[in-house]
Amino acid sequence: DIQMTQSPSTLSASVGDRVTITCRASQIISSSLAWYQQKPGKAPKLLIYKASSLESGVPSRFSGSGSGTEFTLTISSLQPEDFATYYCQQYNSYLRTFGQGTKVEIK
Amino acid sequence: EVQLVQSGAEVKKPGESLKISCKGSGYSFSSYWIGWVRQMSGKGLEWMGIIYPGDSESTYSPSVQGQVTISVDKSINTAYLQWSSLKASDTAMYYCAGQSGRLGAFEYWGQGTLVTVSS
Repeated sequence: DIQMTQSPSTLSASVGDRVTITCRASQIISSSLAWYQQKPGKAPKLLIYKASSLESGVPSRFSGSGSGTEFTLTISSLQPEDFATYYCQQYNSYLRTFGQGTKVEIK
Repeated sequence: EVQLVQSGAEVKKPGESLKISCKGSGYSFSSYWIGWVRQMSGKGLEWMGIIYPGDSESTYSPSVQGQVTISVDKSINTAYLQWSSLKASDTAMYYCAGQSGRLGAFEYWGQGTLVTVSS
């Protein structure tokens, strides 16, 4: 299986901060990476696909980059509604895998 | 509007069987792969498996292979996740999700079905 490792596991930030989350794959996955946001009690929501493509309706303060084995999700100016848990997912292999998640908390 | 609507919460005893459902609407059901994702309380997302309604081709994570069965009924636009013998460790929230290609991101998600297994 392809292992996905996110860092950090928890991130404390303030409204207006620039936030970056990293996701590393245990082997090359090209650009077959998605980012999801999950709020408590809710289903995950797709933010980014193909590593850097913004899903329709997602605010432009979210961006993704990377290819191969290292990827980042950046929130350019953190808003109150962005406090949530973020997951990366690889879909290069038929056995898809998620990262363990990064919780973005209020500082 | 694409929607995936899951069946309601279940409370079962160890050893019992269970089948939960995910009904698609607002799109051609056979055109989206349907996957299942497990989330134990306070934990992360775990990809369980996926099925293509067009021909019922399925792939399972090694961690659940043989423990669950994923199926579809195209006639009623519904995908299923089933257990023949539940364990306490199956207690979790289960999400179905849809992707438009064989390899792709989950674009649409169901609301989740909470399964509680307790004696």
